[in-house]
Amino acid sequence: EAGVTQFPSHSVIEKGQTVTLRCDPISGHDNLYWYRRVMGKEIKFLLHFVKESKQDESGMPNNRFLAERTGGTYSTLKVQPAELEDSGVYFCASSPRGPYGYTFGSGTRLTVV
Amino acid sequence: AQSVTQLGSHVSVSEGALVLLRCNYSSSVPPYLFWYVQYPNQGLQLLLKYTSAATLVKGINGFEAEFKKSETSFHLTKPSAHMSDAAEYFCAVRGGGGGFKTIFGAGTRLFVKA
Repeated sequence: EAGVTQFPSHSVIEKGQTVTLRCDPISGHDNLYWYRRVMGKEIKFLLHFVKESKQDESGMPNNRFLAERTGGTYSTLKVQPAELEDSGVYFCASSPRGPYGYTFGSGTRLTVV
Repeated sequence: AQSVTQLGSHVSVSEGALVLLRCNYSSSVPPYLFWYVQYPNQGLQLLLKYTSAATLVKGINGFEAEFKKSETSFHLTKPSAHMSDAAEYFCAVRGGGGGFKTIFGAGTRLFVKA
């Protein structure tokens, strides 16, 4: 089966610009998660979708971040306007319902200059 | 609130030596526990998981972990390190029920010397 796909793999943008990250989870996985790792620090939770609904968005840093999951399939994470501190690797993961581990994508490395 | 502490941000072992990566957790409910591995330029890969069945859990690539409730620990071990084990390892905890977010530890980078 296809894994979790993220694109772009790298993005370099200027402060103030907008960037949209996309995640395609494994087909049939109801749960979709976004995480971020900044400068080798801890992997921080951003938000959790169950199908198209936001189950938990307590980790979203501020209102410059907007996540959507269209029809319970792919998800996008938009940062608008981007700030320097938004730089990091953004990971998407998906899982079926239940006590399962996650399948991660390879991540999008975002650099804001 | 749940949290995970990984002791040692870097661990170095010789090839063929025992690998021991330490993880302690805190959770208000019986947790699910996981170990993930990340190789350079890749996403995290699930190594093994504990979901309240056997306390000794075997994973991929010869790794195993033991859940010790009394010590709130879930240490990862491998009897004999291989050069290909060099990577970053993350311990993670999630609340019971499977419907909650997973909290990750800070990670331990494993170096394997020839």
